Amino acid sequence: SQQGEEDPQALSIQEGENATMNCSYKTSINNLQWYRQNSGRGLVHLILIRSNEREKHSGRLRVTLDTSKKSSSLLITASRAADTASYFCATDALQGAQKLVFGQGTRLTINP
Amino acid sequence: GAGVSQSPSNKVTEKGKDVELRCDPISGHTALYWYRQSLGQGLEFLIYFQGNSAPDKSGLPSDRFSAERTGGSVSTLTIQRTQQEDSAVYLCASSLWMGGPEAFFGQGTRLTVV
Repeated sequence: SQQGEEDPQALSIQEGENATMNCSYKTSINNLQWYRQNSGRGLVHLILIRSNEREKHSGRLRVTLDTSKKSSSLLITASRAADTASYFCATDALQGAQKLVFGQGTRLTINP
Repeated sequence: GAGVSQSPSNKVTEKGKDVELRCDPISGHTALYWYRQSLGQGLEFLIYFQGNSAPDKSGLPSDRFSAERTGGSVSTLTIQRTQQEDSAVYLCASSLWMGGPEAFFGQGTRLTVV
């Protein structure tokens, strides 16, 4: 299965601290994406990193990708209460079906 | 439209009834996905459509589930003879092409089978 696994399942930190979430996957990929979900409804795309990239930044977000370990991390710096949400990684396989497959997510809580 | 639209937003149905869930993707997006999410869980892939290619139905949990996409646009997910375990949020997403560059999600349909 291509499915990604996020780690940890839940994370609770104080506002202002940095939050790091990890994702592992099983097959070679084209891209890896991170999404955020508030209140169990629609997901919002955060950032995409291609398989030939190692690091990418967007505002307070930093994503790394290690294809040799088949893993990625999402770092949110200077967290805010509004960052409280579930975060999911999604991959599309390099070969075969290129559907987007999501992991189980990390539930992030930012305490004021 | 401006985004992916799903209807209804909430649906309560009696066990054994059939339900239809609708998804209007973003105009011009060739790829359309359906996912199911149970409370506090991840997204379970159900089916995807890519242009005029045969859909990938590998995620449909049983033959009670079916989906179609008419004219490369609107999609309908049908669940026949609903069961209580079908209760979940059903999410639709579309993207310009399969796998990228990003998927845009609707707000989902919360299905409750009583």
